[in-house]
Parts: sequence; C-alpha cells; structure tokens
Amino acid sequence: SQTIHQWPATLVQPVGSPLSLECTVEGTSNPNLYWYRQAAGRGLQLLFYSVGIGQISSEVPQNLSASRPQDRQFILSSKKLLLSDSGFYLCAWSRFYEQYFGPGTRLTVT
Amino acid sequence: EDQVTQSPEALRLQEGESSSLNCSYTVSGLRGLFWYRQDPGKGPEFLFTLYSAGEEKEKERLKATLTKKESFLHITAPKPEDSATYLCAVRTRGGSEKLVFGKGTKLTVNP
Repeated sequence: SQTIHQWPATLVQPVGSPLSLECTVEGTSNPNLYWYRQAAGRGLQLLFYSVGIGQISSEVPQNLSASRPQDRQFILSSKKLLLSDSGFYLCAWSRFYEQYFGPGTRLTVT
Repeated sequence: EDQVTQSPEALRLQEGESSSLNCSYTVSGLRGLFWYRQDPGKGPEFLFTLYSAGEEKEKERLKATLTKKESFLHITAPKPEDSATYLCAVRTRGGSEKLVFGKGTKLTVNP
C-alpha cells in the first residue's frame, strides 16, 4: 500500500529565516506530487505540482519554491519567510484522479 | 473561472439526526468530483469520487450523489465520530492535474 510522509510535523520559525519542508511517498512510482497551503477560512490553496523529476508548475507567485530531486520526494523551500507564510502545509500524491494527502506541517512564522 | 461552493459553512446535528451537505460547482467540463473528510490538525482523507450525473457512492453512513450542477453528501443517523470538516473538490477538463477545492463544511454531531 502507499504511504505519504511529511516532516516536520510542526515548525516555528522567525521572519526572514529559511524554510525546508520535505515530503516522500512510498509504495508507488512516478506519482504526481502537490504542495497545498491551508489557512483558516480560506480553504486549500494549490502552491506547486509536479508530474515528474525536475518538472515543477507554480500556481501562486510568492517567495516559496519547490523541487523534486527524486521520483518520490518533493521539497518546499523559502529563502526568507514572511509572516503571511504561516499556515498548514499539505503534500499530496496521485496516480490517476484521486489525490491522497499527507499528515501536514503546521508552520508558524513569528 | 472554475468555482466550488460548499454550504452550509457549519452544521450542528444531534446524534441520529440525518442531514445533507451541499457542493455546487461552476466548471468548464467536469472530469470528477471528490469528497474528503478532514479531522482537526490532520490531512484530508479521501472518501468518494463521482464522475457523471446520477452517480451515487456509499460508505457506512455516508452517501454522495451528483447532478450536473451540484453534489450532496448525505449523512444518515450520524454519530459523534462523524464530526469533521468535509471538503468537496472538482477536476476540470481545463485544469490538467489540478483539483479546485471548496472551503468545506464543518460538521459537529452532538451525543
């Protein structure tokens, strides 16, 4: 069966610090991978998605970036965090239509 | 622009009191409608996929239905453990690999 991991589970970072969130998927190959942010009252916002190694599509212009160095690894990064980057970050994978989500990372920027 | 609207935003039920959640959509060609359940502090859990009007899917106390303009998630005789936020999402012909999510309905079932 397939499993998706995210870490860390929670993170508190000061404004201006860098960020690296990691997501890995087990039990499947060549999945589509997604990064979402969920803010209170705003629903799920798609940030990036990837259909293959090195292939990244950005949905929202911002100070975040994503990379896919391996088939089942997806990384969300920032060089300098803003207060507005606080939120619940979710990674998801899909092979066909349904997307399956990881446990999420709660990021608080102080 | 593709849009998904869920109503109500919040719903409180007594245990055993059946009700329905609504998901209305405006999209350029539907390629699938998805229901998820999300518990506080956790990632959404996949429930159902519906592809065409008239289709129905069931799982325990939940039944999802689809028309050309909306989907309903019917909850029959709910229990407190059904309390969660229920999310609706659509995949469209113009959206490639992306899903468009509604803001969700927060369901609370009191014992």
